[in-house]
Amino acid sequence: DVKVTQSSRYLVKRTGEKVFLECVQDMDHENMFWYRQDPGLGLRLIYFSYDVKMKEKGDIPEGYSVSREKKERFSLILESASTNQTSMYLCASSLAPKYSGRVSTDTQYFGPGTRLTVL
Amino acid sequence: SQELEQSPQSLIVQEGKNLTINCTSSKTLYGLYWYKQKYGEGLIFLMMLQKGGEEKSHEKITAKLDEKKQQSSLHITASQPSHAGIYLCGADAGGYQKVTFGTGTKLQVIP
Repeated sequence: DVKVTQSSRYLVKRTGEKVFLECVQDMDHENMFWYRQDPGLGLRLIYFSYDVKMKEKGDIPEGYSVSREKKERFSLILESASTNQTSMYLCASSLAPKYSGRVSTDTQYFGPGTRLTVL
Repeated sequence: SQELEQSPQSLIVQEGKNLTINCTSSKTLYGLYWYKQKYGEGLIFLMMLQKGGEEKSHEKITAKLDEKKQQSSLHITASQPSHAGIYLCGADAGGYQKVTFGTGTKLQVIP
């Protein structure tokens, strides 16, 4: 079974603090993703990585950065936390794409989430 | 960009009843995922549909993909309290490994 773990389930930080969210997967997946989930807005992709030291911006990268030094670990960094970054953060991983007809993505497996509150 | 609309947004059913959740895409569907999320937790993968007309089942949950309608439906037979949660559909957004998600359908099952 794929296992994706996140460092904290709940986190409370103050405005301006630097925040690190860690994600680890144990299935040797190439791709890793960070999303945030907000009521009424669904899941929005912040950043993803398709290889060690490689990263791509998602739909809402502003205010965030990422680090992937090892294949199994993908970190999300809030350089200076703000109250509008209060959210549920979800990490996911997937294998490299396998092309089956027109499908070019592979199933993403999610961690349990980190609920971050910025005061 | 692709958008996925789920209906209904929320649903309350009596235990034992059947129910259907729909996911409609603004663009052609090439791959469609269904996930379940328990409140405050991560997403659990249920199934993936790739071809028009494809139907898959997992325990009492069946999903179908209608390519022409650009729609997928998720049907739960004889619902149980354990089925409660948020159901999300996701679709291949056409970019590298990118998935667009619907905003979810919240299901409550009353014993």
